[in-house]
Amino acid sequence: KAGVTQTPRYLIKTRGQQVTLSCSPISGHRSVSWYQQTPGQGLQFLFEYFSETQRNKGNFPGRFSGRQFSNSRSEMNVSTLELGDSALYLCASSRETSGMAVAYEQYFGPGTRLTVT
Amino acid sequence: GENVEQHPSTLSVQEGDSAVIKCTYSDSASNYFPWYKQELGKRPQLIIDIRSNVGEKKDQRIAVTLNKTAKHFSLHITETQPEDSAVYFCAAYYTGGGNKLTFGTGTQLKVEL
Repeated sequence: KAGVTQTPRYLIKTRGQQVTLSCSPISGHRSVSWYQQTPGQGLQFLFEYFSETQRNKGNFPGRFSGRQFSNSRSEMNVSTLELGDSALYLCASSRETSGMAVAYEQYFGPGTRLTVT
Repeated sequence: GENVEQHPSTLSVQEGDSAVIKCTYSDSASNYFPWYKQELGKRPQLIIDIRSNVGEKKDQRIAVTLNKTAKHFSLHITETQPEDSAVYFCAAYYTGGGNKLTFGTGTQLKVEL
């Protein structure tokens, strides 16, 4: 099976702009989670989608949003970019199918490196 | 919410020695604890995990132990090799619904020849 893929891999934006990142999960996986990774804050949970519904959300401002499509692909959007949004954005997919929120292994994509200037 | 502390932040060992990384978690209801290895410029890779109904799990040179009472879990790597050099993250699964992992701050492991 192909792994989790993310596009684009690298992105440079200026402050005030918005950006959309895309994640394609492993085939058959219905849960997609997003994480922000920075040297100072480590890996922080942004949100999780299952069957097109946001099921969980981390402590990030409303400028960070996401969605999931019927084919389980997911996008996240960051509006009004700030310098502090520069980070590696990782998505992870899980094979959970029941919606019962039982812990399943999460597999990460390669990430999108966002630089805000 | 869940809080995961990880120690040490850096660890240097000689090739062939063992390495131990320790984590503590705050939410006693957490029931799934994965470990990820992240090499420079690469994605985090799941290397081993343990569920709360198990006290220890081994996979070749790596093992994880869990002490639910103390809310501690540890990663043990034996016979370390240079390719084990990476950042290791522990995580705890949030049981409030949905797949939310709370990660530790990471341990930079360096295996020296």
